[in-house]
Amino acid sequence: GDSVTQMEGPVTLSEEAFLTINCTYTATGYPSLFWYVQYPGEGLQLLLKATKADDKGSNKGFEATYRKETTSFHLEKGSVQVSDSAVYFCALSPISSGSARQLTFGSGTQLTVLP
Amino acid sequence: DAGVTQSPTHLIKTRGQHVTLRCSPISGHKSVSWYQQVLGQGPQFIFQYYEKEERGRGNFPDRFSARQFPNYSSELNVNALLLGDSALYLCASSLNSPGANVLTFGAGSRLTVL
Repeated sequence: GDSVTQMEGPVTLSEEAFLTINCTYTATGYPSLFWYVQYPGEGLQLLLKATKADDKGSNKGFEATYRKETTSFHLEKGSVQVSDSAVYFCALSPISSGSARQLTFGSGTQLTVLP
Repeated sequence: DAGVTQSPTHLIKTRGQHVTLRCSPISGHKSVSWYQQVLGQGPQFIFQYYEKEERGRGNFPDRFSARQFPNYSSELNVNALLLGDSALYLCASSLNSPGANVLTFGAGSRLTVL
């Protein structure tokens, strides 16, 4: 079945440091890929997405590129802020027609940014 | 515009009891999905409903059931609660297509089973 493997946390960085959170996936065909963010006490918010190979999703300074050859979708940000502290989830959605479009999530990576 | 709203936000039950969780999707969204998020893990898919029909079910026992109403709101029911059912239950809605895969999540209902 489909699966998502995320870099284990927690990750602690200083403000303005470079961020990379690794994500690899196993799926049939060409799934859509997502990064969701969860702030304390809140639900998940879509951060960015990519729907086909070599697509780059970007939002709020975060980027991730859909790499079919390495089945990866690593999240990056050039300069993190304290407000980026949250849990980040990588997820995929199967592309097959008639599917429920259910998301398969990774286990999440806790990011803490220190001032 | 209101986002996805869920109720109750927190509840405590004892083993063997039954619970009903409610979700109102974003206006215009006809698809509702339910996820279970156990502490420290990623969400796990439970159900998707579209136009009041079940369109997908995850690997959960028959104690879990759901339904969608004519106004597209939804209920998740869990019978014979176990300690392991303690989790954050997330509802998500999406646009008017069974294939739409951009989900908007609510803040969740946190269930504690004692």
